[in-house]
Amino acid sequence: GEDVEQSLFLSVREGDSSVINCTYTDSSSTYLYWYKQEPGAGLQLLTYIFSNMDMKQDQRLTVLLNKKDKHLSLRIADTQTGDSAIYFCAERDQTGANNLFFGTGTRLTVIP
Amino acid sequence: DAMVIQNPRYQVTQFGKPVTLSCSQTLNHNVMYWYQQKSSQAPKLLFHYYDKDFNNEADTPDNFQSRRPNTSFCFLDIRSPGLGDAAMYLCATSLDQTFFYFFGPGTRLTVL
Repeated sequence: GEDVEQSLFLSVREGDSSVINCTYTDSSSTYLYWYKQEPGAGLQLLTYIFSNMDMKQDQRLTVLLNKKDKHLSLRIADTQTGDSAIYFCAERDQTGANNLFFGTGTRLTVIP
Repeated sequence: DAMVIQNPRYQVTQFGKPVTLSCSQTLNHNVMYWYQQKSSQAPKLLFHYYDKDFNNEADTPDNFQSRRPNTSFCFLDIRSPGLGDAAMYLCATSLDQTFFYFFGPGTRLTVL
């Protein structure tokens, strides 16, 4: 089955950039996602990228995709305290009902 | 606003006492998913409905069942909750062949 890996923790100072990394195993994945989860809350879709793209930018968010290395990253520019949350990388299963497989999540802590 | 609603947001049950969690959607999506997310872990798919067809993940315990009486509603039944079933339960929907998934806010289940 699919395996999606992330580092568990990241701390940055307010105003700095954050980079959250993810590796995945399914080379046939066509869609990859970043979700944000605040304490006690559900999952909020932040952004997504198609596998035929290398980069996608959306305001403070930049997603980079390296298909050769199966590596996905999320860069948050000018990180704010409100960005403190857990960030999940997810890939879409290409079989069945197109289920999402999630990474372990990266807990981002923003230090004021 | 179209959305995915989960009720209740917090549920407390006793060990062995059956419990039902509810999910409804106004998106008219044909696929509905139930995920289990234990503390500090990634969401894990339990099962999904593709239209009326129920699809169970291979490692989902028999203790977990689901019902989908119509397009809008889907229920998660836990027949005999154990302490290990305490988790956040997330409902999600998607429209066949699209790549957007909509998550509800989750129900946090506590088992005493």
